[in-house]
Amino acid sequence: AQKITQTQPGMFVQEKEAVTLDCTYDTSDPSYGLFWYKQPSSGEMIFLIYQGSYDQQNATEGRYSLNFQKARKSANLVISASQLGDSAMYFCAMRERDSSYKLIFGSGTRLLVRP
Amino acid sequence: NAGVTQTPKFQVLKTGQSMTLQCAQDMNHEYMSWYRQDPGMGLRLIHYSVGAGITDQGEVPNGYNVSRSTTEDFPLRLLSAAPSQTSVYFCASSRGTSGAQETQYFGPGTRLLVL
Repeated sequence: AQKITQTQPGMFVQEKEAVTLDCTYDTSDPSYGLFWYKQPSSGEMIFLIYQGSYDQQNATEGRYSLNFQKARKSANLVISASQLGDSAMYFCAMRERDSSYKLIFGSGTRLLVRP
Repeated sequence: NAGVTQTPKFQVLKTGQSMTLQCAQDMNHEYMSWYRQDPGMGLRLIHYSVGAGITDQGEVPNGYNVSRSTTEDFPLRLLSAAPSQTSVYFCASSRGTSGAQETQYFGPGTRLLVL
């Protein structure tokens, strides 16, 4: 079974609108971290936002927020007021703290922001 | 701070050749790792290090060696390049393994083509 599932291979959003990118995860480890990364066409991996499994509040970083629903095992990324520069691949990732150091990545969602 | 740096940016090898991908970080991070990204996929962990002198295997270690003689540097060696190793290689580092400190920051990547 996949550990990280991103069900939206591609999405469009109008500039200045909000968009939600879905991510569900599967783990039996009670302690884990969840991450979102952005990969623009230039190829680098840019860290956006982090959520710990024991964090009580949803994480926010500027225009990015993470809708963390622990019981549903979902960690959706919300981008508010989309900008043209937000067009990129977005990866959800998880680190299970009782296993190795590795990040487990989803297959990504390609977001295209329309002017 | 330069963050995580990688050299070279791009490399072409012939089957059987060896080479070293360089990675350095100036953030005094204890943890460093190497990932590969194949087309249309997320990243997969090759090797990682929890500190100078300590390394361990990740998910896809075959054909690669690493060493960590200093906190700053974590080179990845391809012993005998194969076409299956054509990929984009990312180095990453993090300060710790819990809370927000476990966030991994990535270098710009090295594109490797093995003919």
